[in-house]
Amino acid sequence: NAGVMQNPRHLVRRRGQEARLRCSPMKGHSHVYWYRQLPEEGLKFMVYLQKENIIDESGMPKERFSAEFPKEGPSILRIQQVVRGDSAAYFCASSGGAGGYTFGSGTRLTVV
Amino acid sequence: GQNIDQPTEMTATEGAIVQINCTYQTSGFNGLFWYQQHAGEAPTFLSYNVLDGLEEKGRFSSFLSRSKGYSYLLLKELQMKDSASYLCAVRPTDRGSTLGRLYFGRGTQLTVWP
Repeated sequence: NAGVMQNPRHLVRRRGQEARLRCSPMKGHSHVYWYRQLPEEGLKFMVYLQKENIIDESGMPKERFSAEFPKEGPSILRIQQVVRGDSAAYFCASSGGAGGYTFGSGTRLTVV
Repeated sequence: GQNIDQPTEMTATEGAIVQINCTYQTSGFNGLFWYQQHAGEAPTFLSYNVLDGLEEKGRFSSFLSRSKGYSYLLLKELQMKDSASYLCAVRPTDRGSTLGRLYFGRGTQLTVWP
């Protein structure tokens, strides 16, 4: 039973380019969460999705960031026109019910 | 608003016991989690408390007092591999749902010395 799969593991983008981060939840999990972690800081919630629905996007920046979880395929976190401040580790977690979430290994985005 | 506090750093020696405290103030409460995170890796789930009291799982135990907004993670028989960041996270009430976002503290960096 594969865990939460995220790819790519590392992503380098130039300022102004687009970044696409992918997350496949654990088998049987239909709830996906995206978190961002800056160096020396805690995990900050970004968005919570179920299949084809955004449940809570209160942590998403108002511009340039979007997320989706289509009926088929992985969840995608999309960052348009990246800036240096977007450099961070982005973690996806999935859950199927009460209790803890399972995190993926993260995508480390570096904007140069 | 939500506020979760835990010490930034702690040190201990191999074989010792260490207690990492976490205090929280959230709009409602629907569970407290502890995660372990090694540098450059994903957080891994350690424990979950929703009722007051102590939950024991091998060398790790977690305690919760909802009236005090307080939890601690107790690590016994410390090993070098326990050197990591320990994250306290709270799930606020979400219309009675057991799902929903977590609020994380900044993490406590534990260093275990030989």
